[in-house]
Amino acid sequence: KAGVTQTPRYLIKTRGQQVTLSCSPISGHRSVSWYQQTPGQGLQFLFEYFSETQRNKGNFPGRFSGRQFSNSRSEMNVSTLELGDSALYLCASSLYLDRANTGELFFGEGSRLTVL
Amino acid sequence: AQKITQTQPGMFVQEKEAVTLDCTYDTSDPSYGLFWYKQPSSGEMIFLIYQGSYDQQNATEGRYSLNFQKARKSANLVISASQLGDSAMYFCAMREGGGSNYKLTFGKGTLLTVNP
Repeated sequence: KAGVTQTPRYLIKTRGQQVTLSCSPISGHRSVSWYQQTPGQGLQFLFEYFSETQRNKGNFPGRFSGRQFSNSRSEMNVSTLELGDSALYLCASSLYLDRANTGELFFGEGSRLTVL
Repeated sequence: AQKITQTQPGMFVQEKEAVTLDCTYDTSDPSYGLFWYKQPSSGEMIFLIYQGSYDQQNATEGRYSLNFQKARKSANLVISASQLGDSAMYFCAMREGGGSNYKLTFGKGTLLTVNP
């Protein structure tokens, strides 16, 4: 069973540009979440999508956006990049949460963004 | 106040010995879940173990066990018989409430180094 796939793995952008990151969840998983990881702030929740609807959103500016497609694949976009957006962006997918499932998140290897 | 506190930035352990990684949490929600993840240098977050707030027994998964002390709001991870491959960052995380909440709040992490 394939895991969570994130593309691209590495990318370099300059300030003011925009970037789009892609995430393919594990087959059958309908929830996709995005996290930003930096040395200073640690892991911070960006947003979560379920069946193409954003259900939760973290405390990030509107430059950070995302969407989910009907096949559960998700993209996140960051516009007008700033130096502080340099980070590892992790995508995670999950089964529905019920008595049989803890709702654990399965993570991809991340997309490492460097903003110059 | 931080919801997840990991007070040990770094820990060292000899191969084949046991090690305990500390985690305390803060929530007023009676329903919550606690997770431990391992992050090797590759970046991928690997799920290790889960403890639900209503679980009567401490969770165990192979060499991993969770020392859950609800009254003290602590959820320490115990790794028995450490191996060189256990060297990594370890994160404690919490999900509050149930239902459709898939958001995890992470601690700052503990860097574990296993010495031969």
